[in-house]
Amino acid sequence: AQKITQTQPGMFVQEKEAVTLDCTYDTSDPSYGLFWYKQPSSGEMIFLIYQGSYDQQNATEGRYSLNFQKARKSANLVISASQLGDSAMYFCAMREPPFGGKLIFGQGTELSVKP
Amino acid sequence: DAGVTQSPTHLIKTRGQQVTLRCSPKSGHDTVSWYQQALGQGPQFIFQYYEEEERQRGNFPDRFSGHQFPNYSSELNVNALLLGDSALYLCASSGPGQPSGANVLTFGAGSRLTVL
Repeated sequence: AQKITQTQPGMFVQEKEAVTLDCTYDTSDPSYGLFWYKQPSSGEMIFLIYQGSYDQQNATEGRYSLNFQKARKSANLVISASQLGDSAMYFCAMREPPFGGKLIFGQGTELSVKP
Repeated sequence: DAGVTQSPTHLIKTRGQQVTLRCSPKSGHDTVSWYQQALGQGPQFIFQYYEEEERQRGNFPDRFSGHQFPNYSSELNVNALLLGDSALYLCASSGPGQPSGANVLTFGAGSRLTVL
């Protein structure tokens, strides 16, 4: 079974508008971490935002925010005021115990920002 | 401050050959993880090295092996290459210490391997 599901293969958004990228996850462990990474065409994975399973508030990092709905096991990424440079692949990932270097990634969503 | 550096950036091999990929972690990091990313897929965890030992391993055959050196740099070796090994190989570093909870992995730009 998929542990991380990203159901949107591709998304388009107009420059300066907000966009939500969906992510659902599956785990039976009460302790876990959720991450979003951006991968431009250069290949490097760039860390955007983190949400811990016990965090009471939704994480925010500049124009990025994470809409964490624990009961629904969803961790959607919201990008406000989209910029042309936001065009890239976006991956949701989860870390479960035993914590270490292993992240489980989804299939990704390709975001295209239109001028 | 240099981030994670990987070499080579691109390489082409034929089936049955062996390949070695190299990674230097970000300054201050001591843990290295390797990932395989096939075209159109998310990265898949291969293994993690910490204190020169393999600490975690994903679902990859023994043809995939690695090493970590005292300076924390790492190598990924793949023997008996198959066409299906064609992928982007990403190295990620973190630290100090084993990643836990919110500890963020910093990725390199990857080595793109093509097997003909």
